[in-house]
Amino acid sequence: TQLLEQSPQFLSIQEGENLTVYCNSSSVFSSLQWYRQEPGEGPVLLVTVVTGGEVKKLKRLTFQFGDARKDSSLHITAAQTGDTGLYLCAGVGLSGNTPLVFGKGTRLSVIA
Amino acid sequence: DTGVSQNPRHKITKRGQNVTFRCDPISEHNRLYWYRQTLGQGPEFLTYFQNEAQLEKSRLLSDRFSAERPKGSFSTLEIQRTEQGDSAMYLCASSVFGSNYGYTFGSGTRLTVV
Repeated sequence: TQLLEQSPQFLSIQEGENLTVYCNSSSVFSSLQWYRQEPGEGPVLLVTVVTGGEVKKLKRLTFQFGDARKDSSLHITAAQTGDTGLYLCAGVGLSGNTPLVFGKGTRLSVIA
Repeated sequence: DTGVSQNPRHKITKRGQNVTFRCDPISEHNRLYWYRQTLGQGPEFLTYFQNEAQLEKSRLLSDRFSAERPKGSFSTLEIQRTEQGDSAMYLCASSVFGSNYGYTFGSGTRLTVV
């Protein structure tokens, strides 16, 4: 069973601060995806990373896929209250054919 | 296309009753997934379909759970003889097989068993 460990589990920061959340596994994934989920809603895809070492930027969000394709990080610069939510990483197994496996998520709260 | 639609949004049922949820995926998507999410957890995989074929079922899916996707369009998830432990958010998602575009999730059905 492929497991994804996310850390920290909870994070509360002031508006304007920077933060990084992590997604780690002992397994290799063909790709990793990051989603954000708001209360009472389904997760919404932010990004997919496919190549080891890949870095993708989405405005103030920077996503990195580890060289060995076992881990990923999400860095947010100058956090805003609108960034508040549950950040989930999800991995696709090496066959590329299997359903996504999700981590437990990092719950981020950005306070004005 | 308005995305993935799930009905009902909320369901309260008494223990022992049967419930059925419906998911209408994005019409061009050939894969459809069911996940369950409880408080403080990420979504846990239950089952998925490619077109009308059910390709995999999780060990989490007891015999009381059944899912169908007739004609490869909408899907239903039925829980028979509900238990309090079934209380959760049931999420449906759809995708295109082989793409890296990720899953599109519905807003979920929140089930409360009392």
